[in-house]
Amino acid sequence: AQSVTQPDIHITVSEGASLELRCNYSYGATPYLFWYVQSPGQGLQLLLKYFSGDTLVQGIKGFEAEFKRSQSSFNLRKPSVHWSDAAEYFCAVGPLMEYGNKLVFGAGTILRVKS
Amino acid sequence: DGGITQSPKYLFRKEGQNVTLSCEQNLNHDAMYWYRQDPGQGLRLIYYSQIVNDFQKGDIAEGYSVSREKKESFPLTVTSAQKNPTAFYLCASSISSGGTHSSEQFFGPGTRLTVL
Repeated sequence: AQSVTQPDIHITVSEGASLELRCNYSYGATPYLFWYVQSPGQGLQLLLKYFSGDTLVQGIKGFEAEFKRSQSSFNLRKPSVHWSDAAEYFCAVGPLMEYGNKLVFGAGTILRVKS
Repeated sequence: DGGITQSPKYLFRKEGQNVTLSCEQNLNHDAMYWYRQDPGQGLRLIYYSQIVNDFQKGDIAEGYSVSREKKESFPLTVTSAQKNPTAFYLCASSISSGGTHSSEQFFGPGTRLTVL
C-alpha cells in the first residue's frame, strides 16, 4: 500500500541554521512528490513538487528537495531558516489513479524556530 | 484572483445536528476533494469528485455526504451519524483527472468544526 512517513513529529532549529525535514514513501511506480506548508489555522500551500527529470527541485521561500529513488526519500532542505518558516510541513505522494489522483499525506512535521 | 474559498471559517454544532460546509473554486478545475485533518494524523480523504454530478467515497466517508451540481462548488454535509466530527476540514481542487499536473492539489483556507 502507498504510504508516506515523516519520522520527525517536531523539529526545533535556531534562526539562521540549516534545516532538513525527512520524508520516506512507499509507492509502486514512479511517484509524484510534493511538499506543502501549513501555518496554524490555515490551508496548505505548495512549496515544491517533483514529477520527473532533475532530482533536485527548487521551490518557493528558498526551499529545495531531493528525490532519491534508491532510498525512497524526498527530503526538504533550507540553508538558513527564518522565524517565519515556523509551521507544519507535509510530504505527499501520488497519484493514486483509482482514487481520482488522490494524494497520500504524511502525518506532518512541526517546525519550531528559536531566536 | 483565482482560488478556493471555504465558509464559514469557524462552525459550531450541537450534537445531533447536520451542518454543511461550503467550498467554491474559480480555478476551472474539474476535480475537487474534501479532507479531514486531526492533530498528528495528516490529511484523510473523505470524498472526491472528478466531474460534475459524480463523486466517490474516500477513506473515511461514513457520516458525511457531498453533492457536485456545479463545477465550481462541492459542499460537504457532516451528518449526525458522524460520531466524532470535531476537526479541521480542508477542501482542495486539481486540474483534471488525467495528466501529470492533475495530481497537484490546491487547498482552501479550511473550516474548523466544533461540536458542542
